[in-house]
Amino acid sequence: EAGVAQSPRYKIIEKRQSVAFWCNPISGHATLYWYQQILGQGPKLLIQFQNNGVVDDSQLPKDRFSAERLKGVDSTLKIQPAKLEDSAVYLCASSLGAGRGYEQYFGPGTRLTVT
Amino acid sequence: AQRVTQPEKLLSVFKGAPVELKCNYSYSGSPELFWYVQYSRQRLQLLLRHISRESIKGFTADLNKGETSFHLKKPFAQEEDSAMYYCALSEMNRDDKIIFGKGTRLHILP
Repeated sequence: EAGVAQSPRYKIIEKRQSVAFWCNPISGHATLYWYQQILGQGPKLLIQFQNNGVVDDSQLPKDRFSAERLKGVDSTLKIQPAKLEDSAVYLCASSLGAGRGYEQYFGPGTRLTVT
Repeated sequence: AQRVTQPEKLLSVFKGAPVELKCNYSYSGSPELFWYVQYSRQRLQLLLRHISRESIKGFTADLNKGETSFHLKKPFAQEEDSAMYYCALSEMNRDDKIIFGKGTRLHILP
């Protein structure tokens, strides 16, 4: 089966600019996650969707980050405006369902550099 | 707060030697513990979970609730084991959100 797809793979922007990332989960996966992985750290959950509804966005900096999953399939994560500390790899993952019984499958990530 | 601690950023082990990647956690409930692995130029993937009690690629991990540890072990290291390893914890009743440790890079020496 095809894995989780993400684009772009790399992005370099200046601070205060805007950027958007796209994720296409594995077909049939109801749950979609966005993680932020800063260099030297493990992934940190930003937001979790169940179909097109938000399950958990407690760690999403909502003043500058937004995410949507309008039709319950693809998702976009946006940063506006970007700060230097947003430099990180943004990982998308999907699973058949929500809950610890379901394995999460990760995409290749988008490496964002903010200068 | 729930935390996952991996005390070693880098672990170098000779091929054929035993491997132990340490992981300690703090959690007040009943956690589920995982090990994730990321090989060079590959995606992050699940290696094993404690409830499965299985051995994957020769690796095992036992949950020790008394010591709040979930160390990853392999009796004989292979060069293909070189990778980044992340210990992770799933919080019950928080939609099973996964919290990752900072990771340990395992380098197998020839």
